[in-house]
Amino acid sequence: GAGVSQSPRYKVAKRGQDVALRCDPISGHVSLFWYQQALGQGPEFLTYFQNEAQLDKSGLPSDRFFAERPEGSVSTLKIQRTQQEDSAVYLCASSSLPPVGRANYGYTFGSGTRLTVV
Amino acid sequence: DAKTTQPNSMESNEEEPVHLPCNHSTISGTDYIHWYRQLPSQGPEYVIHGLTSNVNNRMASLAIAEDRKSSTLILHRATLRDAAVYYCILRDTAGGGADGLTFGKGTHLIIQP
Repeated sequence: GAGVSQSPRYKVAKRGQDVALRCDPISGHVSLFWYQQALGQGPEFLTYFQNEAQLDKSGLPSDRFFAERPEGSVSTLKIQRTQQEDSAVYLCASSSLPPVGRANYGYTFGSGTRLTVV
Repeated sequence: DAKTTQPNSMESNEEEPVHLPCNHSTISGTDYIHWYRQLPSQGPEYVIHGLTSNVNNRMASLAIAEDRKSSTLILHRATLRDAAVYYCILRDTAGGGADGLTFGKGTHLIIQP
């Protein structure tokens, strides 16, 4: 597609409910990142995929957070037993290049999924 | 990634130039300087990046100090659509792994009509 697409755009979950957030990166993009953005803060890194391989998950805040990209294209971020502190905007970004030399190019972000846990 | 310092907010008038500063006194020789902006209810958008020389593109210009300890993003003629949070980020060419972009709080740019 023309850009990075994320769905749903908004999600309201009851505390304790599991949620799944979807990211459709730009077709052919190798690298895919997930970020979490709390209200009034900058985005914070969660995890990174190169094709289907999850190469870095150091930013995932707890073992309730799980991400996958089984065929190297669409990715899903799953949050189990949601808590109120999980309320945030979850952003996905993709790039056509792998991490080597990554500093010399930019990423394309989606518009995010706003998750509200009540 | 090395730390950057930006003003919390800036205000400018429509159709005037805007200079957004960023200090990065601990920058290393292999760090690129990247700028992103985030419009309300949108994801961040890549603006420009550079290493040592000044850079121009259709969106903005990037002026990099000779010692590389600071840089300035220049919007030549601001419009209401440029109202956003602007992030200055350092990206290391020499680092391994894939730790993604490290965002600070950025500068909230307000454009007055």
